[in-house]
Amino acid sequence: DGGITQSPKYLFRKEGQNVTLSCEQNLNHDAMYWYRQDPGQGLRLIYYSQIVNDFQKGDIAEGYSVSREKKESFPLTVTSAQKNPTAFYLCASSIKAGGFEVQYFGAGTRLSVL
Amino acid sequence: GENVEQHPSTLSVQEGDSAVIKCTYSDSASNYFPWYKQELGKRPQLIIDIRSNVGEKKDQRIAVTLNKTAKHFSLHITETQPEDSAVYFCAASSGAGGTSYGKLTFGQGTILTVHP
Repeated sequence: DGGITQSPKYLFRKEGQNVTLSCEQNLNHDAMYWYRQDPGQGLRLIYYSQIVNDFQKGDIAEGYSVSREKKESFPLTVTSAQKNPTAFYLCASSIKAGGFEVQYFGAGTRLSVL
Repeated sequence: GENVEQHPSTLSVQEGDSAVIKCTYSDSASNYFPWYKQELGKRPQLIIDIRSNVGEKKDQRIAVTLNKTAKHFSLHITETQPEDSAVYFCAASSGAGGTSYGKLTFGQGTILTVHP
């Protein structure tokens, strides 16, 4: 599975609840990313991290939070402030190749609201 | 920030025909342009990429062209097969210098259907 593991595959959130999506990689990649995918809108960047204990907001960070305590792990929390969380969430990691980073994706988590 | 527009949103071809998907980008500093293929319910997979110092790159039935002046790049698939049916995404990145990492900005995707 390319060394990037996302869990769970499916997740249901109740109103007002925070939920956490897991992303683990064993590729020794420095950078990790979270994207949200909605139909017809492509992939939109939520957060990214280039190094342990550091991360930056992407284009749609509101209502989400992340941490990067270990190189291998980059969990995403969807908070109750995210009013429309139903989407397919993709985690990616990247490595430099010839001066450019190539991103590889996990299998995704599909989040739905109950 | 970067903005990537992708066209068409859907493309239907007969098996054996060619398919072309076009993307435009706004940031002249972008220098890395990957293309991803995503089958239904699966993860996006990198199929080909091109760097700004190259005008064209080919890998078997797939080719990508880049026009930096016009700020657009295209994916060309020849001799299409039913297994080419998927959603294709283009992306652009200003890459990075040194040890920092750039961000990818994705197009909206093209649903390609190849009819047998």
